[in-house]
Amino acid sequence: QVQLQESGPGLVKPSGTLSLTCAVSGGSISSSNWWSWVRQPPGKGLEWIGEIYHSGSTNYNPSLKSRVTISVDKSKNQFSLKLSSVTAADTAVYYCARVNKLVTMVQGVINYYYYMDVWGKGTTVTVSS
Amino acid sequence: DIQLTQSPSFLSASVGDRVTITCRASQGISSYLAWYQQKPGKAPKLLIYAASTLQSGVPSRFSGSGSGTEFTLTISSLQPEDFATYYCQQLNSYPRTFGGGTKVEIK
Repeated sequence: QVQLQESGPGLVKPSGTLSLTCAVSGGSISSSNWWSWVRQPPGKGLEWIGEIYHSGSTNYNPSLKSRVTISVDKSKNQFSLKLSSVTAADTAVYYCARVNKLVTMVQGVINYYYYMDVWGKGTTVTVSS
Repeated sequence: DIQLTQSPSFLSASVGDRVTITCRASQGISSYLAWYQQKPGKAPKLLIYAASTLQSGVPSRFSGSGSGTEFTLTISSLQPEDFATYYCQQLNSYPRTFGGGTKVEIK
């Protein structure tokens, strides 16, 4: 059973860089899955940050793209998030999640139905001086 | 970006009630939609993917339907453990986006 665990500083100063790691256990980060980051500001909804494949391919939310870097470390079976130039608006619970997929073929056309099926418990990051 | 609008944003219901939550997409997303349940202080939990496929281990009182721009999540008989916030998410295109959430509370 794959499990995910986020770790990193709970307090980051304004204009600094938020750095978090998601450790994958019970499975390999080199499986055919994408690995994602999602955040949730206090009392608000969910925001997709981005994702990475074990090859290093990434997709980012354009609203954060200039400040976000997601990387993978296959030797440690983990992936990481860096968010630079943080402000109070980046205060949130940060979740990592596995992106799984259902593959179907209809009339010769392959469809990939992605979904986030395994989530970490989340880690709270506060941006404050 | 594809916008997802959930309605209602708040729902008060009783145990045993049939509950329906709607998620409307700003453009067609075929069946590339998932539903999640989130309880206070906990991570989201996957309920439904591909619009109507029930995740393993999720009770059969949960069901999803729809395609294109309109989707529904139905709880056939609300149980005490179902009081939570529900989110839809589109995985048709980037960036992935979530609906604003529907909070289901006890009447």
